[in-house]
Amino acid sequence: NAGVTQTPKFRILKIGQSMTLQCTQDMNHNYMYWYRQDPGMGLKLIYYSVGAGITDKGEVPNGYNVSRSTTEDFPLRLELAAPSQTSVYFCASSYLVTDTQYFGPGTRLTVL
Amino acid sequence: AQSVTQPDIHITVSEGASLELRCNYSYGATPYLFWYVQSPGQGLQLLLKYFSGDTLVQGIKGFEAEFKRSQSSFNLRKPSVHWSDAAEYFCAVDGSGNTGKLIFGQGTTLQVKP
Repeated sequence: NAGVTQTPKFRILKIGQSMTLQCTQDMNHNYMYWYRQDPGMGLKLIYYSVGAGITDKGEVPNGYNVSRSTTEDFPLRLELAAPSQTSVYFCASSYLVTDTQYFGPGTRLTVL
Repeated sequence: AQSVTQPDIHITVSEGASLELRCNYSYGATPYLFWYVQSPGQGLQLLLKYFSGDTLVQGIKGFEAEFKRSQSSFNLRKPSVHWSDAAEYFCAVDGSGNTGKLIFGQGTTLQVKP
């Protein structure tokens, strides 16, 4: 199993540009999550999904959108990038809600 | 609102010494509690978790943690630290009634002196 994979690893965006961060898991997990980690801070939940077709907001959803058309994929969309979205983004998944969350390696995004 | 506090931002210990990382939480009900470790440039890996039962929880890599309801604490311990334990450690709480929506502390960076 590859586990949770994220692409790209690094990206620099200009203000106002858009992009999609990709997340794929091959563990047949129902639950998937997107977090952001700012320097010196813990992770904050952006969006999560309890299964294909079902998503909900986390703690810091503004400026982001998600979709979940398949069990495996959970892309995160930034429509109008802002400097405040400079962060490291982690995707995670778990089989049950109380199970261990498995994290991907992260995407480091800089918005200039 | 639920919150997690890790009072120590940075800790340095000598290799072979014991370690305790502190975690305090604010949560109305019985929480689900977690400790994760993040090595530089890596994602997070679960060390251990507490849901219920025995308040002393054993994890991977020789770590353990003790849940103390009276002190709202879930401190992480290791009897003898190895140089490979240098990393950032995060305490987390399931903040919405066992929904998987984790609330993380700010993290504690552990440096190990040879």
